[in-house]
Amino acid sequence: KNQVEQSPQSLIILEGKNCTLQCNYTVSPFSNLRWYKQDTGRGPVSLTIMTFSENTKSNGRYTATLDADTKQSSLHITASQLSDSASYICVVSDRGSTLGRLYFGRGTQLTVWP
Amino acid sequence: EADIYQTPRYLVIGTGKKITLECSQTMGHDKMYWYQQDPGMELHLIHYSYGVNSTEKGDLSSESTVSRIRTEHFPLTLESARPSHTSQYLCASSEWGGQGDGYTFGSGTRLTVV
Repeated sequence: KNQVEQSPQSLIILEGKNCTLQCNYTVSPFSNLRWYKQDTGRGPVSLTIMTFSENTKSNGRYTATLDADTKQSSLHITASQLSDSASYICVVSDRGSTLGRLYFGRGTQLTVWP
Repeated sequence: EADIYQTPRYLVIGTGKKITLECSQTMGHDKMYWYQQDPGMELHLIHYSYGVNSTEKGDLSSESTVSRIRTEHFPLTLESARPSHTSQYLCASSEWGGQGDGYTFGSGTRLTVV
């Protein structure tokens, strides 16, 4: 069964600190891996998208890594801000169908305290 | 600025009422999707469409129905709402396949059936 598992489930950090969120997946075949940020009551917003050949991709203070051999990804947030408080969702796409199906993790709920 | 619009943002209705959740996108995307998301849980695909006059059921069984008469419009209808339909409904759209498929989510509709 294709799955996407994220850890930790929730995380509280102080403003200005760094943090790293983890994503492990069993989706096969693999097309790409995406990280989304979802504010409470809003739709997910794309942060990064990586294919098999990409190891690292950055978007401002967000840096995602991908190890396709071990099927692991991480999202590193540098110098956190209060506005980073949100759910961060790992999404993996397979290439096994014309739909390009997406598999969603349950997200890591990040809270940044002042 | 959002390119995919959902209305209403919030809806509280009584049991047995018929409702339609609206979704429109201005990106000319062929593919559109409806997801259902409960608090702290992953997104579940309930309907999708490849283009005009194309609709398919997703992974999660849903009593809702959808239509795709125009490329930009993908409404979701519940003929008789029940408390079990209380959830957040997210609409999304994308181009065909590839890394740069522009997968974009709307802001969602939070539905409460009392």
